[in-house]
Amino acid sequence: SAVISQKPSRDICQRGTSLTIQCQVDSQVTMMFWYRQQPGQSLTLIATANQGSEATYESGFVIDKFPISRPNLTFSTLTVSNMSPEDSSIYLCSVDGTSGSSAGELFFGEGSRLTVL
Amino acid sequence: RKEVEQDPGPFNVPEGATVAFNCTYSNSASQSFFWYRQDCRKEPKLLMSVYSSGNEDGRFTAQLNRASQYISLLIRDSKLSDSATYLCVVWGGQNFVFGPGTRLSVLP
Repeated sequence: SAVISQKPSRDICQRGTSLTIQCQVDSQVTMMFWYRQQPGQSLTLIATANQGSEATYESGFVIDKFPISRPNLTFSTLTVSNMSPEDSSIYLCSVDGTSGSSAGELFFGEGSRLTVL
Repeated sequence: RKEVEQDPGPFNVPEGATVAFNCTYSNSASQSFFWYRQDCRKEPKLLMSVYSSGNEDGRFTAQLNRASQYISLLIRDSKLSDSATYLCVVWGGQNFVFGPGTRLSVLP
């Protein structure tokens, strides 16, 4: 299994500002994912964070709005830029278990609950 | 059509009841299938993988019908602690796609 630490766990931000969310994994992983879960909704993949190259963004998400860093195999950041109230959501970091019984299983951080005023 | 569809519920059932959730997916090339559980204000956690031959884990039984592109989850002898949202998740070869989830409330 993988243990994932995310911070901040929650924040309240002003419109127009930016927030960076950090994700730390207790083991080296190839793929890290960033999801968004809006109130009452399921999870939507924002992007896959690739170590050593640019993140791969899903349709509807762009690098200017959600820049991602992946400096090594255990750490990634997601920035929510120029925030608006529509960005209020839970942002979840996730990794794919790659070995043994956890292969193919997604592990999640506890999420970062963002409220934009 | 959404890639993964589920009845959002809520399903309100008494303790001890048997309840079944269904899920359909649109990508016939999907390779792996899972049920995740998400408690209120918590992150999703794997409940069980779904295998072609069907699989059982205690009170939980999962089945896959590739021809109909349909997945099911059966919970027997429901407990209060089973109250949660159940997410159907499909791996299509490039990323995991989450269904909207089905909310279950088990009532005393």
